[in-house]
Amino acid sequence: DTGVSQDPRHKITKRGQNVTFRCDPISEHNRLYWYRQTLGQGPEFLTYFQNEAQLEKSRLLSDRFSAERPKGSFSTLEIQRTEQGDSAMYLCASSPYPYEQFFGPGTRLTVL
Amino acid sequence: ELKVEQNPLFLSMQEGKNYTIYCNYSTTSDRLYWYRQDPGKSLESLFVLLSNGAVKQEGRLMASLDTKARLSTLHITAAVHDLSATYFCAVDILGYGGATNKLIFGTGTLLAVQP
Repeated sequence: DTGVSQDPRHKITKRGQNVTFRCDPISEHNRLYWYRQTLGQGPEFLTYFQNEAQLEKSRLLSDRFSAERPKGSFSTLEIQRTEQGDSAMYLCASSPYPYEQFFGPGTRLTVL
Repeated sequence: ELKVEQNPLFLSMQEGKNYTIYCNYSTTSDRLYWYRQDPGKSLESLFVLLSNGAVKQEGRLMASLDTKARLSTLHITAAVHDLSATYFCAVDILGYGGATNKLIFGTGTLLAVQP
């Protein structure tokens, strides 16, 4: 069990650019979650998948955000036309049915 | 609107002292988690509380859950410097079949243990 992994760990980009993050869950975990955490705040739910199906999206997930989980394995989170307000830590978690979410190390995004 | 509130938001305490962090939430849930976060790091799971009256202990930390009062507590006994971190409670908004759906996190409590 290697834990949840995320790539990259840090991303610096210029406003208006697109970025994509990857999350590899713990193997055989069928649920995968994305959260966003800004400085000094608790994580906020963005979206989650059961296998390849995206079951819920938060209102925080604007049209510029898209998440996928092809084949029910790894997931990607893409942000188009980044804004400075997108700067945050993006956390991925996975869960075996039906309990406890295990978090990855996060991807810290800085939008200049 | 679902709210999860922690207090205090900041706690400075001396080594050897005891203290309690409170987590109040506004919706029905039988499942609550406590996480620890060190600066710049991800979340480390501390406790999983799955029912009313649940009590879990690990080292100097003990967590409890009262679902009727919608209250969880994290008690620190004889604090040591290594416990300095931010502590979050998170309420599990259960979905179909009682499976974990999404977590709603509290505001966090920054704990600083002074020598």
